[in-house]
Amino acid sequence: GAVVSQHPSWVICKSGTSVKIECRSLDFQATTMFWYRQFPKQSLMLMATSNEGSKATYEQGVEKDKFLINHASLTLSTLTVTSAHPEDSSFYICSAEGFTGTSGGTDTQYFGPGTRLTVL
Amino acid sequence: GQQVMQIPQYQHVQEGEDFTTYCNSSTTLSNIQWYKQRPGGHPVFLIQLVKSGEVKKQKRLTFQFGEAKKNSSLHITATQTTDVGTYFCASGGTSYGKLTFGQGTILTVHP
Repeated sequence: GAVVSQHPSWVICKSGTSVKIECRSLDFQATTMFWYRQFPKQSLMLMATSNEGSKATYEQGVEKDKFLINHASLTLSTLTVTSAHPEDSSFYICSAEGFTGTSGGTDTQYFGPGTRLTVL
Repeated sequence: GQQVMQIPQYQHVQEGEDFTTYCNSSTTLSNIQWYKQRPGGHPVFLIQLVKSGEVKKQKRLTFQFGEAKKNSSLHITATQTTDVGTYFCASGGTSYGKLTFGQGTILTVHP
């Protein structure tokens, strides 16, 4: 149980285009989903927290107009990188939090496999 | 968020040697979580500690939470090549605020 999927797993796009990344909790309802960004050999940096049916809460320094987050249901959140530029190239990881009945409890975040974005 | 500092940044060991990574905070932590991220993969939850002085074991892995709840450690006994990856500590979570990750320790195991 507690599986989170992410699509696509990798994407290459041209500068100026927009890219949408989907995050789904497959076998549980995620009350909250998180979006992280990770550069090579670095830690995960929280970008935003998203709750179903409400606006996402963005971390300081993250442009909300550039990284659009929509949490349409308890099992789906999307991150759209608008007008992508080469500096947006990174590994984007989502996680979902919710009661799964496993030993982790409600504070455990289950991570998706990540999306590697390369902007040319 | 609760800030956590993790050391060392890198650790190279021979297979069979032990490995320890440390997580420290200047403030009392509500909880500590540990994750493992394999090369090219995503973080996988290992364990959560919430009680002062708590010690938990998972096979060759031993997790400790300090008495003052300001530090934690992950110790691996007799490392294997399958232990390769980056180990992150993290503190927080919805009940305690946002989850904040340490810098991670990259473990390399030489056969």
